[in-house]
Amino acid sequence: SQKIEQNSEALNIQEGKTATLTCNYTNYSPAYLQWYRQDPGRGPVFLLLIRENEKEKRKERLKVTFDTTLKQSLFHITASQPADSATYLCALRSGGYQKVTFGTGTKLQVIP
Amino acid sequence: DAGVIQSPRHEVTEMGQEVTLRCKPISGHDYLFWYRQTMMRGLELLIYFNNNVPIDDSGMPEDRFSAKMPNASFSTLKIQPSEPRDSAVYFCASSPPSTQNTEAFFGQGTRLTVV
Repeated sequence: SQKIEQNSEALNIQEGKTATLTCNYTNYSPAYLQWYRQDPGRGPVFLLLIRENEKEKRKERLKVTFDTTLKQSLFHITASQPADSATYLCALRSGGYQKVTFGTGTKLQVIP
Repeated sequence: DAGVIQSPRHEVTEMGQEVTLRCKPISGHDYLFWYRQTMMRGLELLIYFNNNVPIDDSGMPEDRFSAKMPNASFSTLKIQPSEPRDSAVYFCASSPPSTQNTEAFFGQGTRLTVV
């Protein structure tokens, strides 16, 4: 069956360091992989999208890699700040454009 | 634009009662999604619409769940009868036409508690 796995354990990191979150998937051939941020009591907010033919995407302090051979995406936040503390969700588009499936998310805590 | 608007924000109801959740998508978006989020199962897609037409409802858990989109600016998710295991946060999201960015814009969610 199709599965998206993110580290369910919270990631604690010191302010200023680079945070790296992992998203692994099985039995998917995604055309797109997306990363979202979710704060408590709020809906997810889109951050980045990377296509299957792209290896890397950057946006300000964020970097996403996509390895379709390993079936893995890495999400990096450089120079992390306490304001980056949130839950980060990866999402894959399978089949048609419309069906986007989410992982369970990884909670990131940036410690001042 | 005010974004995706959901109501109510919180709903507490007794088992067996009917519950109706409401959603107003972003104007111009022709895709609308209903998701359910729980600690155990994360964010699950229940159903999505394109141009007011239901396209995939394979995520709807049971016949007790139904969704409608009578026009481009309004959708409802109904649970009847509600059960305690339906307690979750329900999100509505919308997306622009597929020729544009594929990101989904989420509402604030409705936290449903069935006692």
